[in-house]
Amino acid sequence: AQSVSQHNHHVILSEAASLELGCNYSYGGTVNLFWYVQYPGQHLQLLLKYFSGDPLVKGIKGFEAEFIKSKFSFNLRKPSVQWSDTAEYFCAVNSMDTGRRALTFGSGTRLQVQP
Amino acid sequence: DAGITQSPRYKITETGRQVTLMCHQTWSHSYMFWYRQDLGHGLRLIYYSAAADITDKGEVSDGYVVSRSKTENFPLTLESATRSQTSVYFCASKPQYTNNGYTFGSGTRLTVV
Repeated sequence: AQSVSQHNHHVILSEAASLELGCNYSYGGTVNLFWYVQYPGQHLQLLLKYFSGDPLVKGIKGFEAEFIKSKFSFNLRKPSVQWSDTAEYFCAVNSMDTGRRALTFGSGTRLQVQP
Repeated sequence: DAGITQSPRYKITETGRQVTLMCHQTWSHSYMFWYRQDLGHGLRLIYYSAAADITDKGEVSDGYVVSRSKTENFPLTLESATRSQTSVYFCASKPQYTNNGYTFGSGTRLTVV
């Protein structure tokens, strides 16, 4: 069974600091990878996704992520965070080999950006 | 996003009662999913459905029942609510032939007392 690990549970940064959130997954086959953001009291919104091709993907709001197949990683980055980035961030994976189409999520990283 | 609607938004119920959470989508997406979100666990899959009348269990399906008689509706029933089922429940949907377009509802916050 596939699993997703997010090692940073709670991150506190000052505005303008750089951000990197780790995500590792366990499945060795073909995967689609996603990062979602959840602002307080809201539903999940897609930040970015990787299906194939260039392993460096750019998403909304200045976020990007790099897929490193050899490390089973899909880390999220942002060069300069803003107070409005305060939210919870979830990494998710979907195996393309099993036919199951449900996303498997990591436990989430709560980001707190201080003004 | 108005395309996927969950109701109610908030629900308080007593232990042992049956509760049904509703999910309705307007896109005719084939796939629908129910997740629960708990602190420290992220989102965990309860049930999913590939089409009308086709459902399958996820990782945390004990104590839950689903049905999907129509493509657009995917209700989740807690047969006899327990305090451990206090959680935020999210419904999601996606089209059949692409992994683009997973869309989530706004969630139902359920408290079992």
